[in-house]
Amino acid sequence: DAKTTQPPSMDCAEGRAANLPCNHSTISGNEYVYWYRQIHSQGPQYIIHGLKNNETNEMASLIITEDRKSSTLILPHATLRDTAVYYCIVRVVMDSNYQLIWGAGTKLIIKP
Amino acid sequence: EAGVVQSPRYKIIEKKQPVAFWCNPISGHNTLYWYLQNLGQGPELLIRYENEEAVDDSQLPKDRFSAERLKGVDSTLKIQPAELGDSAVYLCASSLAAVGSNQPQHFGDGTRLSIL
Repeated sequence: DAKTTQPPSMDCAEGRAANLPCNHSTISGNEYVYWYRQIHSQGPQYIIHGLKNNETNEMASLIITEDRKSSTLILPHATLRDTAVYYCIVRVVMDSNYQLIWGAGTKLIIKP
Repeated sequence: EAGVVQSPRYKIIEKKQPVAFWCNPISGHNTLYWYLQNLGQGPELLIRYENEEAVDDSQLPKDRFSAERLKGVDSTLKIQPAELGDSAVYLCASSLAAVGSNQPQHFGDGTRLSIL
């Protein structure tokens, strides 16, 4: 079962910041949060990941709450090409193996 | 840097036929993954390789699915015989990660399999 909960869909106006929420209330102390996105007919694309601290790269920012039970992915200036399904994923360790447990994601639609 | 390359992009076969998918990971990535993705869902792990060793194949249906990574670089995933329910996108990913690392996985564009 997925360890994350995301809204099934969101809209955002082009040029505005897109804020995508994710709940992971059962996350353990050593489990990372990853974000990927998937554009139609393409493979998932890595965006960013973090453990406790907020992270920023050229694509996005990741804000993780202090209790680590939720996080927000921020696309600072959304473009039409950011329309995709965004997955918030927790990397879990099971029986010495680690896995990315994927949910259904959030379909983000950027509108002109 | 070249990404993960998969072929073919599309494959249509009749049920009970065999099928194979090929993956070339990013150069230097010793960890390779095969995933299955059904429509509207996230990917599901089938198998993970560390170099040529399959270190996690617990989710691979071994009665009909097999995989190999003989030289620790390219990999093939095979289904024999294919069933109608195997219609899905098969994704390959690779990473620098050894066990316990947090290196991200990088995905190919997948092979879309349709079973008639």
